[in-house]
Amino acid sequence: GQNIDQPTEMTATEGAIVQINCTYQTSGFNGLFWYQQHAGEAPTFLSYNVLDGLEEKGRFSSFLSRSKGYSYLLLKELQMKDSASYLCAVRDPLNRDDKIIFGKGTRLHILP
Amino acid sequence: GAVVSQHPSWVICKSGTSVKIECRSLDFQATTMFWYRQFPKQSLMLMATSNEGSKATYEQGVEKDKFLINHASLTLSTLTVTSAHPEDSSFYICSARDWTGTGGNYGYTFGSGTRLTVV
Repeated sequence: GQNIDQPTEMTATEGAIVQINCTYQTSGFNGLFWYQQHAGEAPTFLSYNVLDGLEEKGRFSSFLSRSKGYSYLLLKELQMKDSASYLCAVRDPLNRDDKIIFGKGTRLHILP
Repeated sequence: GAVVSQHPSWVICKSGTSVKIECRSLDFQATTMFWYRQFPKQSLMLMATSNEGSKATYEQGVEKDKFLINHASLTLSTLTVTSAHPEDSSFYICSARDWTGTGGNYGYTFGSGTRLTVV
């Protein structure tokens, strides 16, 4: 089966740093995505990790540990526009379709 | 980069009628299309996967006779919500799989979504 867990909501202050954790238990694994989604809009790609370690991209970094089934998204120098939902998603290679399964998402609230 | 055009952006329909949502891949071939549904404050739930020229594969609990998927060409997939009811009101979004991986986003490109309201 598939199980992807992340906190439902988080609150942080403008200018601060926040880490959003994601744990997964899936039948197969072929990479982990992080997406940002504002209400009523399509998800926006943030990062993709397939090997263990940290990937840094500007204010956003993503970490993966395949042995622990664990990933986190780190957001630095938070801005008000970062208020959004952040979706952790695992790529499942167990069928030829290579589908992406999403976690429930973390709603991040940024306070001034 | 790769773009998926999804229409309509929003639609209001009467209970009992059918609604068709289109997703068209621009400048690339979408051999696989994933259809998701998202209720307010919830995450994207995969409804079905369609491959060009073959029948769609539905996730457990999704009625295939209610949500008709057609993927007749490499650039167009449609989702038809038949005999819509208020509980079908949701945000529907497609994601095209670009097997060449040249479109960016590691081969998965989302449409902009369709807000369906059934009254």
